[in-house]
Amino acid sequence: KAGVTQTPRYLIKTRGQQVTLSCSPISGHRSVSWYQQTPGQGLQFLFEYFSETQRNKGNFPGRFSGRQFSNSRSEMNVSTLELGDSALYLCASSFGGTGGRTEAFFGQGTRLTVV
Amino acid sequence: AQTVTQSQPEMSVQEAETVTLSCTYDTSESDYYLFWYKQPPSRQMILVIRQEAYKQQNATENRFSVNFQKAAKSFSLKISDSQLGDAAMYFCAYCYYGGATNKLIFGTGTLLAVQP
Repeated sequence: KAGVTQTPRYLIKTRGQQVTLSCSPISGHRSVSWYQQTPGQGLQFLFEYFSETQRNKGNFPGRFSGRQFSNSRSEMNVSTLELGDSALYLCASSFGGTGGRTEAFFGQGTRLTVV
Repeated sequence: AQTVTQSQPEMSVQEAETVTLSCTYDTSESDYYLFWYKQPPSRQMILVIRQEAYKQQNATENRFSVNFQKAAKSFSLKISDSQLGDAAMYFCAYCYYGGATNKLIFGTGTLLAVQP
């Protein structure tokens, strides 16, 4: 069974540009969550999607957005990139239950560098 | 707001020895899950062990076990017979059971080194 796939693995962008990251969950999983990992702030929750609907959102500016498609694949978009957006972006998928009832499986992340 | 605290930024253990990683958390909820995740250099987070707050019995997974003290809001991870492959960053995490979400709140992590 294939794991969670995140693409691309590495990305270098210039300040002011926008970027789209992709996450393909494990087959059958309908919940996808995104996290930002930085040395200074640690792991922070960005948002969660379930059946194409956002069901939770973290405290990030509106420049961070996401969506989920009918096949459960998810994308996150960051517009007007800032240097502080440089981070490892992790995606996690789970079957669909809430409250931690079903195990979350993580991808290997996308390393975004903003220059 | 819920918070998770890991007070040990780095730990070191000799191969085959036992090490305990500490985690405390703060929540006003009574039903929740607690997790320990491992993040090796490959960066992929791997679930090590999970504890349901309403269960008195401490969770165990092979060489990994937890000491869950609900009243003290403490959730430590014990790794027995440490192996070189255990070297990684370990994160403690919390998820509210009653929320319509799988949002995980993470601690800042403990970097574990295993000495041969």
